[in-house]
Amino acid sequence: EIVLTQSPGTLSLSPGERATLFCRASQSVSSSYLAWYQHKPGQAPRLVIFGASSRATGIPDRFSGSGSGTDFTLTISRLEPKDFAVYYCQQYGSSPYTFGQGTKLEIK
Amino acid sequence: EVHLVESGGGLVQTGGSLRLSCAASGFTFTSYAMSWVRQAPGKGLEWVSTLNDNGGATYYADSLKGRFTVSRDNSKNTLYLQVNSLRVEDTAVYYCAKDHWPLIMFGGPIGHFDSWGQGTLVTVSS
Repeated sequence: EIVLTQSPGTLSLSPGERATLFCRASQSVSSSYLAWYQHKPGQAPRLVIFGASSRATGIPDRFSGSGSGTDFTLTISRLEPKDFAVYYCQQYGSSPYTFGQGTKLEIK
Repeated sequence: EVHLVESGGGLVQTGGSLRLSCAASGFTFTSYAMSWVRQAPGKGLEWVSTLNDNGGATYYADSLKGRFTVSRDNSKNTLYLQVNSLRVEDTAVYYCAKDHWPLIMFGGPIGHFDSWGQGTLVTVSS
């Protein structure tokens, strides 16, 4: 099983700032099959990035993903109030699919 | 627009059973693999199970094999999760989720999800 470790656990930033979230895998993620989700309390998770760097439908270009192998990054270039949420990475290159423990992005 | 609506959760004692349902609309249900993902209170997301279009191929988290059974009724556009021998640690919100790409594109489930339901809460008490 591939274990995903996200850092930091909590990130406190202000609107307009840049956010960088990290996801490290315990072994190489096949074909960069790495996704990022945004999750707000009481809501359904929302797909943000798939294939490590492709934005999902409706996701603004403020969001970008990068990385390969074992190290991946989600960057939000200019934070807006609606971006504050918990973000999870997920690998789907091998079964079982696994998620990271999440990074909480909170307003400073 | 894709809609996924879960139901069937509730309060159950340890050792009990529940059948969760997920009613799907807004897309061609038979073209997509469907999955269940859960979130325990205060915890992160955990993949539970995935099912291909006709139920011929099922996949489970190792820790849940034998107690959970995923199925679908394509005539009703509904996904199910039968959960048996429930434990306190199964307490969670259970989400159903749709694969991002149709099965025909990759010849099987792709394993990341572009649409999710709001979830149904299962609470297991001792």
